[in-house]
Amino acid sequence: GDSVTQMEGPVTLSEEAFLTINCTYTATGYPSLFWYVQYPGEGLQLLLKATKADDKGSNKGFEATYRKETTSFHLEKGSVQVSDSAVYFCALKAGGFKTIFGAGTRLFVKA
Amino acid sequence: DAGVTQSPTHLIKTRGQQVTLRCSPKSGHDTVSWYQQALGQGPQFIFQYYEEEERQRGNFPDRFSGHQFPNYSSELNVNALLLGDSALYLCASSLVRDRGYQPQHFGDGTRLSIL
Repeated sequence: GDSVTQMEGPVTLSEEAFLTINCTYTATGYPSLFWYVQYPGEGLQLLLKATKADDKGSNKGFEATYRKETTSFHLEKGSVQVSDSAVYFCALKAGGFKTIFGAGTRLFVKA
Repeated sequence: DAGVTQSPTHLIKTRGQQVTLRCSPKSGHDTVSWYQQALGQGPQFIFQYYEEEERQRGNFPDRFSGHQFPNYSSELNVNALLLGDSALYLCASSLVRDRGYQPQHFGDGTRLSIL
């Protein structure tokens, strides 16, 4: 079945460091790919999306490119801030009724 | 534009009890899905409702049931609560006509604790 695998955390970075969180997926069709962010005590917020191969999603300085050849959708940010500390979830929808999530990667950013 | 709203925010129950969680979808959305997020894990799909019917169900026992009302709001019911049911329950809404490729919109969840 469809699945998402993302790098285990926690990831600890200093402010202004470069961030990469790896995500790979398995899907039978042509899924849409998403990154969601969850701040402490809150629900999920959509961070960015890409609906077809080679699309680049971007938002708030975060970027991810839909790579069909490597079945990947890695999240990157050039300069993280303390306020970026949260849990990040890679997810996919393959035309069905549900979103399939990875296990999440916790990010800590130190001042 | 109201987003997805869930109630209550927190709930404490004991084993064997029953609980009902409520969700109002984002304005204009007609489909509601429920997810269970255990501590330290990603959300797991429970089921989805459209036109007051369950369209798809994840790998959850029959103790988990739901309902959708004509105004598209939804309830999640869990009977015979177990300690393992302690989790954050998330409601998500979407439009059926997006054919499933657009992202769902999530509420802030109900934190259910079983003692």
